[in-house]
Parts: sequence; structure tokens; C-alpha cells
Amino acid sequence: DVQMTQSPSSLSASVGDRVTFTCRASQTISTYLNWYQQKPGKAPNLLIFGASSLQSGVPSRFSGSGSGTDFTLTISSLQPEDFATYYCQQSYSPPLTFGGGTKLEIK
Amino acid sequence: QVQLEESGPGLAKPSQTLSLICNVSGDTIGSGGYYWSWIRQHPGKGLEWLGYVSHSGRSHYNPSLRSRVVISVDTSKTQFSLKVRSVTAADTAVYFCVRGGNSFNYFGMDVWGPGTTVTVSS
Repeated sequence: DVQMTQSPSSLSASVGDRVTFTCRASQTISTYLNWYQQKPGKAPNLLIFGASSLQSGVPSRFSGSGSGTDFTLTISSLQPEDFATYYCQQSYSPPLTFGGGTKLEIK
Repeated sequence: QVQLEESGPGLAKPSQTLSLICNVSGDTIGSGGYYWSWIRQHPGKGLEWLGYVSHSGRSHYNPSLRSRVVISVDTSKTQFSLKVRSVTAADTAVYFCVRGGNSFNYFGMDVWGPGTTVTVSS
């Protein structure tokens, strides 16, 4: 199984900050890496697919990069609605696996 | 616009079979080369993929569930189901049905149901 590791597990930031989340795969997954945002009590929402492609309807302040085993998600200027938990997920090979998540909190 | 919605009992007894249905509106299973998954989230925890059924009807499951899971498609192609055998308290979770993308979007899970809470308790 491909293990996905996210860091940090939590992050405090302020509105307007630039933040970066990190995700590492235990083996190469090319660019089969997707990012999701989840708010409490809601289903996750796809933000980025294929490591760097922005899902339709997602604000352009979100961006993704990486390939192989190391990936990042960046929010260029935090907005109040961005405080949530972020998950990475590999779709390279089943079983499909998620990282443990990074909880973004207001500083 | 594609929408998914889970339905089924919110309570299951230990050792019984948990059965959930996902109703698909705005699309049919088999079109677009999509994969259709079930994912669960234990209280306060992360996301766990249980398995998928492909557009061609092929299924693939998470080995961690030790063959307790079956995912199938209704003949109408507008519903797919999840069965988990021999449930225990560890199966208590929110269960999501998901459209798991296709080769054009690197199988990103782009449509989610709202989720349904299942509690396993006697």
C-alpha cells in the first residue's frame, strides 16, 4: 500500500497569510495526487487533481505542485472560509489512501 | 449536475451486515469512465477508502476490511450499494458515497454525497 504522510498535522495562520501544506508518498505516484478541503460536518471537497490542476469552481488562490513522492498545496492569501482540514490522497494504485490531514486554524 | 445521496439504517447491531445505498442523480454509472467509491470517516479521524466499482462493473476493495465489503451496481445504473459483513463497534463512522473521477482528472473524487452516520451498537 502507498502510505501518505502530511505535515504538519495542524497549523495556525492569519487571514491574508500564505500557507503551504506538505504531503509525502511512501513510493513514487507520478502526479496521481489530489487535495481535498473538509469543513466540520461536511463532505470533503476536491480542490486540486493531478497534483497541480485546479478543480472547476475552486478559487485561484489555491495551487498545487510536486511529482514523484513530494507534493505541496499552497494558499496564496488566506480567507476566513479557508480554515478547515486539508487531506491529500493518492490515486496511483489501489488501495486508494489518504494522508492524515492538516488542520488549519485561525491564529 | 451530478448529485449523490446515501441512504440506509443509521444503526446496526454487532455481527450483522451493514447495508447502504447511494442514489445517483444527473448521471448514470457506466458513462464517462468514472469510478464509484465508498469512503468512511471514523469520529474525529481521517478518511478511509473502502472500495470502488468501475464504470464497467469491476470492483476493487481495501484489503484492510478483510473481505467483509461488497460494492455493487443496481441494474438501473442509478444506484450503487455497500455491504459490510460482521460489523463491530469499529465500523461506527460516517459513510460517504463518491464519484471517484476518471482518467481525465487523475481519478480525483469530484462528487461526494453528504454522508450518513452509522452506529454499531447492541
